[in-house]
Amino acid sequence: GENVEQHPSTLSVQEGDSAVIKCTYSDSASNYFPWYKQELGKGPQLIIDIRSNVGEKKDQRIAVTLNKTAKHFSLHITETQPEDSAVYFCAASPLYTGGFKTIFGAGTRLFVKA
Amino acid sequence: DTGVSQNPRHKITKRGQNVTFRCDPISEHNRLYWYRQTLGQGPEFLTYFQNEAQLEKSRLLSDRFSAERPKGSFSTLEIQRTEQGDSAMYLCASSILRTGLNSYEQYFGPGTRLTVT
Repeated sequence: GENVEQHPSTLSVQEGDSAVIKCTYSDSASNYFPWYKQELGKGPQLIIDIRSNVGEKKDQRIAVTLNKTAKHFSLHITETQPEDSAVYFCAASPLYTGGFKTIFGAGTRLFVKA
Repeated sequence: DTGVSQNPRHKITKRGQNVTFRCDPISEHNRLYWYRQTLGQGPEFLTYFQNEAQLEKSRLLSDRFSAERPKGSFSTLEIQRTEQGDSAMYLCASSILRTGLNSYEQYFGPGTRLTVT
């Protein structure tokens, strides 16, 4: 079946450094790629998303890139802060399903050391 | 707070018992989703509703699981004859689908953590 692979599973960076999380997907019909941040005891929260007609999207310190040919997409966080510490999930979904068929990666636990 | 709420937040039950969880979505959202999340994994889709209609169910949703959204507002997820393998976080999310406005962003609740002993 369809799946989304996410790497690394754990990432530790020094405050102020950049963090990069990479994902690959298998379903060629996927054209919507959201990223979620999950803090302890909370549900996932959308932080940024990208559609397949766009190669890159940026929102302040967060950027996502998409290579649809290679089925790769990545999350870049610059100038990391301790409050960025959380678990990050990438996901892929075919828009024709209205978003319900969303496949999540296994998550990356990000530690930002002060 | 106008976000998605779930109750209870934690549930401990003995194997074989039935449990029911409730989800209250954001009020104007007509789509509601249930996911299961086990430790160290991302959420896995279980089922979703558009208004009161259950439109899709995952193969993960065995016969012991049933979900309802009777009036198109809150939803319940019931697990009958619980097994230890049912121990997980059960997440609810909602989104809006409206003519001329198609938001794919899913807003998640805090989840219900189920422990089956």
